[in-house]
Amino acid sequence: DVKVTQSSRYLVKRTGEKVFLECVQDMDHENMFWYRQDPGLGLRLIYFSYDVKMKEKGDIPEGYSVSREKKERFSLILESASTNQTSMYLCASSGTYNEQFFGPGTRLTVL
Amino acid sequence: GIQVEQSPPDLILQEGANSTLRCNFSDSVNNLQWFHQNPWGQLINLFYIPSGTKQNGRLSATTVATERYSLLYISSSQTTDSGVYFCAVGYHNDYKLSFGAGTTVTVRA
Repeated sequence: DVKVTQSSRYLVKRTGEKVFLECVQDMDHENMFWYRQDPGLGLRLIYFSYDVKMKEKGDIPEGYSVSREKKERFSLILESASTNQTSMYLCASSGTYNEQFFGPGTRLTVL
Repeated sequence: GIQVEQSPPDLILQEGANSTLRCNFSDSVNNLQWFHQNPWGQLINLFYIPSGTKQNGRLSATTVATERYSLLYISSSQTTDSGVYFCAVGYHNDYKLSFGAGTTVTVRA
């Protein structure tokens, strides 16, 4: 079974803090994704990566950056957290046909 | 982008009832997935079904790609089936998936 894990289920941070969200997959997938999910807005793609050190902007990249130094790990970085980044963050990975598998999610609250 | 419409938006079922969820999409796709989001927020893969019919226990799905729709069937529903069901579509050569707004299913004991 594909397994995607995320570093935290719940996270509370203060405005202006630097926040790291980590995602690890164990299926040797080339592609990894970061989404956020908000009520009424659905799932929105923030960034994705199709190979180590490669990244592409999704639909809402502003305020975020990403890092992929190893194939199994994809990090989402909030350089200076703001209250409007309070959300559910979901990581996913996929292989050749882009069948995506999701991690358990991180509920981030920025105070 | 691809438009994805799911219906109904909400569904309330009595335990043991059967139901059908629908997903319409606006373009020819070769990637279609159904997910169940559980109460803790995790998206669980149900089916990868760009065409044809698949069954997994009490769940089954059918995609008619030429007519641009997919159906998810839940039989003998249980309270654990409650949650939001999402349909997502895309192309093999495009990393993006377009998600529908979801169908919220509530199964009452």
